[in-house]
Amino acid sequence: ILNVEQSPQSLHVQEGDSTNFTCSFPSSNFYALHWYRWETAKSPEALFVMTLNGDEKKKGRISATLNTKEGYSYLYIKGSQPEDSATYLCAFAAPNSGYALNFGKGTSLLVTP
Amino acid sequence: NAGVTQTPKFRVLKTGQSMTLLCAQDMNHEYMYWYRQDPGMGLRLIHYSVGEGTTAKGEVPDGYNVSRLKKQNFLLGLESAAPSQTSVYFCASSSGPQVLYIQYFGAGTRLSVL
Repeated sequence: ILNVEQSPQSLHVQEGDSTNFTCSFPSSNFYALHWYRWETAKSPEALFVMTLNGDEKKKGRISATLNTKEGYSYLYIKGSQPEDSATYLCAFAAPNSGYALNFGKGTSLLVTP
Repeated sequence: NAGVTQTPKFRVLKTGQSMTLLCAQDMNHEYMYWYRQDPGMGLRLIHYSVGEGTTAKGEVPDGYNVSRLKKQNFLLGLESAAPSQTSVYFCASSSGPQVLYIQYFGAGTRLSVL
């Protein structure tokens, strides 16, 4: 079992604000990091899978960076919109965890108009 | 686009009762997973399967059994439900090992054990 920490636990921003949150994971034996977006009453949806140190991924207004040497990933949302309100999950995998992804508890984002 | 379908969506059980949760996917995925989601905790893997006829234990397998008789279906069984199994259960599937391939999740089953 590998500890994956996400911060902050929750975040409340105004429409148009840009925001970011952090996922921290053990820096040794890195294999992959996933980001998922989970809207209330819906299924988690994949955003990114990142495997290389320095990786940057972008999907619309959402982007993510990865630093495997120091063990963190940032998720950025540019110009937040109310429809971005969701819980953002990161999940970490290491070679010694078999097929398992270890999920963080998530960052709950609320964007108000 | 059905994707991953879970049945039932809600269920209330009494302690000691048994039930089976069904997960069906129509994407021809080899890999399937069962998670539970509890308040204040991340998704935790119960069991998984890397192909038809195979199953393996995840992080929290006690009290659950699974079967993958057909590639498209992954069943999660509770033989004798306990209040500690009150949770939201999610099924997921992926085309390759979950560490590298994105997972597609079902809508979840909310289970209460009284």
